[in-house]
Amino acid sequence: DAGVTQSPTHLIKTRGQQVTLRCSPKSGHDTVSWYQQALGQGPQFIFQYYEEEERQRGNFPDRFSGHQFPNYSSELNVNALLLGDSALYLCASSLGDRWDSSYEQYFGPGTRLTVT
Amino acid sequence: GQNIDQPTEMTATEGAIVQINCTYQTSGFNGLFWYQQHAGEAPTFLSYNVLDGLEEKGRFSSFLSRSKGYSYLLLKELQMKDSASYLCALNSGFQKLVFGTGTRLLVSP
Repeated sequence: DAGVTQSPTHLIKTRGQQVTLRCSPKSGHDTVSWYQQALGQGPQFIFQYYEEEERQRGNFPDRFSGHQFPNYSSELNVNALLLGDSALYLCASSLGDRWDSSYEQYFGPGTRLTVT
Repeated sequence: GQNIDQPTEMTATEGAIVQINCTYQTSGFNGLFWYQQHAGEAPTFLSYNVLDGLEEKGRFSSFLSRSKGYSYLLLKELQMKDSASYLCALNSGFQKLVFGTGTRLLVSP
């Protein structure tokens, strides 16, 4: 089992550009959550996908959007990049059919995005 | 909202015991996670507390008191490889995690 995988590992973009990050969940997992982690900070929840729908969203602008495919993999898109979008973007997968689920989330290695 | 506070940095000596505290103010959550994160790497799961009390897992233990809005992670027999950031996170429902800023632990020989 490869666990949670993310691509690319590193990415450098220019302010104003658009970026797409990809995530494949751990085998058997149906829920994908995306987090943004700035240097020296804890991860911040962006949104979560379940059954190909955005189920929950954090306090991020509409420039951040996503998608989940039938095989449960997911994409995170960020439009009109700002310098402040530079961060480590983490994808986490889990089984998420219950609100009170205590199932562990598995994190991928992350994509380091640098906006210049 | 959910304010989660952790000390920014702690130092300890190899072989010692260290306690990392996490306090929070929230109206409700399912449980509290502790994750370890080495620099430049993904967070890895350490423990999950749903009920009040102590959960022990080898060298690591985690405690939760809902009434006091308080949790701690206890690391025993510290090793150099334990130098990392330790993240406290509340599960606010459907596995949406709200993280604290993390505590950077430095273990010296």
